[in-house]
Amino acid sequence: NAGVMQNPRHLVRRRGQEARLRCSPMKGHSHVYWYRQLPEEGLKFMVYLQKENIIDESGMPKERFSAEFPKEGPSILRIQQVVRGDSAAYFCAGRREAQETQYFGPGTRLLVL
Amino acid sequence: DQQVKQNSPSLSVQEGRISILNCDYTNSMFDYFLWYKKYPAEGPTFLISISSIKDKNEDGRFTVFLNKSAKHLSLHIVPSQPGDSAVYFCAASDNYGQNFVFGPGTRLSVLP
Repeated sequence: NAGVMQNPRHLVRRRGQEARLRCSPMKGHSHVYWYRQLPEEGLKFMVYLQKENIIDESGMPKERFSAEFPKEGPSILRIQQVVRGDSAAYFCAGRREAQETQYFGPGTRLLVL
Repeated sequence: DQQVKQNSPSLSVQEGRISILNCDYTNSMFDYFLWYKKYPAEGPTFLISISSIKDKNEDGRFTVFLNKSAKHLSLHIVPSQPGDSAVYFCAASDNYGQNFVFGPGTRLSVLP
């Protein structure tokens, strides 16, 4: 997956806890996308960020979910008060300015008990 | 409302034969398309792309065809190899590649 890092790879949480997912895109990739994949389904867009800015969060639930991509450090997808329905694989992807191709990380598999 | 459809959830092909994966879209504003391959427990890997100014793009064993009037694209893999067995997603963008809408995927099995 071309150097895109996501951690943790697997995350188990109990209902009501917080989940924090990290994504470090490739060097020079200033655009980050987060997607969610439910079992047996395709990738659903959640949020698109550039450094320090949220560009499009139309795919992200308004409550409990937030995302950031600070000037320094990884992009963070934060899910507060997790519920069983949040169990899914969460993928991030990065791309360069003025290029279309997105390069994906290996994903974080979240399991909510 | 699914803007990008992959109507075949699965496809089985004999090794050495051609695999044809299809993708249909509804938004006529889509102008850039990509195909990704995904193995279990891994992230999607970019395969090949095509912009709406072309109707064909080729890269080794992989060729993507775009029929704008039919809002249809297809990925051809020839010859198919067992290592091609994976889930294939098509994705479409209407904003010069800023945001992509993904199809639900087609699981390809290449049989030895």
